[in-house]
Amino acid sequence: EADIYQTPRYLVIGTGKKITLECSQTMGHDKMYWYQQDPGMELHLIHYSYGVNSTEKGDLSSESTVSRIRTEHFPLTLESARPSHTSQYLCASRNRGLAVNEQFFGPGTRLTVL
Amino acid sequence: AQSVTQLGSHVSVSEGALVLLRCNYSSSVPPYLFWYVQYPNQGLQLLLKYTTGATLVKGINGFEAEFKKSETSFHLTKPSAHMSDAAEYFCAVTGWGSDEKLTFGTGTRLTIIP
Repeated sequence: EADIYQTPRYLVIGTGKKITLECSQTMGHDKMYWYQQDPGMELHLIHYSYGVNSTEKGDLSSESTVSRIRTEHFPLTLESARPSHTSQYLCASRNRGLAVNEQFFGPGTRLTVL
Repeated sequence: AQSVTQLGSHVSVSEGALVLLRCNYSSSVPPYLFWYVQYPNQGLQLLLKYTTGATLVKGINGFEAEFKKSETSFHLTKPSAHMSDAAEYFCAVTGWGSDEKLTFGTGTRLTIIP
């Protein structure tokens, strides 16, 4: 069973605040991903990482940044939150050794910026 | 490049009736296909996947899907709907290779009528 965790699950914050969304996995997966999902919409890849010290931007432009200092940890940071950042953020990971890109998802963080 | 089209953003069925969620894909390489389910305020959970071999794939919770290359389809079915099936369902496609991205459809919200 996949073990991937996200905290907080819900966050309501004011404009201009700095926030960090946490994502951790205990499966030793090399690859990790961040998706942004607006209500009733598809998932958009905003960041991914192939391993420690590797970060790449995804298909959807995002003002957020990510870091990958440890294999199991892939936090996402917004330096100055704005209402346009209100969305659900999903973290995922996969085993790089598999040929097929099957990803395991965390429960998500629902962010509301007032 | 790959793309996914899910026909019908909302589908309603009566409890006990057949569930049919449609997914068509486009891929320049042999596709690998997935169905994920998302319950309210949750992350995505893998229902089933097609990689190679048998084209009729069985998943969890009584769902199954059939890969039809000639129709470029991967429709999801369940013979008898249950109230607990109410959720958002996402079809996704990727190509072979560890660096291939996962492309999602826009999702279908399934409502079960008592």
